[in-house]
Formats: sequence, structure tokens, C-alpha cells
Amino acid sequence: IAGITQAPTSQILAAGRRMTLRCTQDMRHNAMYWYRQDLGLGLRLIHYSNTAGTTGKGEVPDGYSVSRANTDDFPLTLASAVPSQTSVYFCASSEQADQPQHFGDGTRLSIL
Amino acid sequence: AQTVTQSQPEMSVQEAETVTLSCTYDTSESNYYLFWYKQPPSRQMILVIRQEAYKQQNATENRFSVNFQKAAKSFSLKISDSQLGDTAMYFCAFMKQGRGGADGLTFGKGTHLIIQP
Repeated sequence: IAGITQAPTSQILAAGRRMTLRCTQDMRHNAMYWYRQDLGLGLRLIHYSNTAGTTGKGEVPDGYSVSRANTDDFPLTLASAVPSQTSVYFCASSEQADQPQHFGDGTRLSIL
Repeated sequence: AQTVTQSQPEMSVQEAETVTLSCTYDTSESNYYLFWYKQPPSRQMILVIRQEAYKQQNATENRFSVNFQKAAKSFSLKISDSQLGDTAMYFCAFMKQGRGGADGLTFGKGTHLIIQP
């Protein structure tokens, strides 16, 4: 079934550790996004990529990095996790940058 | 920067009733899109409906329709003949047109809709 796959589904991580959240899509979408969802705040954009080889910063990029080596994959890395990064992380993709976005099932990340 | 406001944190209605969720937004842009997403307890984000700002006609998808008032910057979602499966968080979202994804989607804080049997 075509769609977006995120891994892991959930993770508990010690503060200071490095963590990469994986996101893969098989729809050949050009644009991909990472959001975080916090209770009472809705979803906020962390980073985006309009096409393979390019990335950009969203509303809340500090403490996160991304890469887009190919069309399908868009990993999100926390270089040194902090408790304030405890959140649910959603990866999304769209055919082009201003088209409707399709979301993965999310990763619940807890930083202790 | 644009903002999206959903003023109803939670709503509860009986099955088969019609319910309207409110959304207002603030922007200086002329060209943009508006969306409603549904997030059931499974945590999935599901696109419910989309509206292009340049279209005067309100979008409709089966039991879901919107009332788009561009001058008032209002974008409400009406759910007709509500069903138990409609129980979910509903998010209103805004996207500038032609920004190359730079702003992604701007979301409201959500409305928790509960459909009572």
C-alpha cells in the first residue's frame, strides 16, 4: 500500500543521546515535511524539503537537522536530545510544495 | 506571519445531528489554501477537505462541507448526519500558495469533537 512509513512508532530516550527518526514515502512526492505535535499547540513545522537535495527551516528548527539525499527518504535527527523535545513527530509529503499533504502515522518520542 | 484560531476546544453532539466547527485565520496573503484535517484516536492525520482561496464556491466532500468567508477570514466545517466514527480532533490549517513549501501548513490548536450515541 502506497504511503508514508515512519520508524520507530515510539521511543524512550535519555537526554543527551542522538536520535534519528526515519521517514520513507513511496509516492514519488517531491515535497516532504517534519512537524511536531504538542498537547494544546497543534502541529508546528520543523523542517521541510521541496525536492531531493534541498532543505529549509520551519517554525521550530532549533535542535533538529534533516537531510534529503533522495526522493523517498527524509530523516530527522536530534543531535543531543533534551526533555523539551518530547513530542509526537509527524512526517508528511506532497506531490508539489503547495499541494495537500499526506501524513505518516507519527513517532511518539519521550526524552527523560 | 499567519495565525489560525479554533475557538472551540471541545464539542459534543448526538449521533445524526449536524455540527459546525469554527475556524478563523489572519493573513495578509491573497492566494492561499485552507484545509481541515481529522485526527482520530489512532493518531493518523486525515485530510477531510480543501478550499482554494480564489474559489468562491464552498468545497464539499460527502457529509463534510465548508463555509468559506474570505472577507471575514472565516473557514468553518459542517458535518451533517454525524456518525460515531467522526469522533476525533479536527484541525484547521492554512497554507500560502506558491511559497515553495517554506511555511508548510499552519495549524490551529484543534477542536475535540465527540459524537454521542
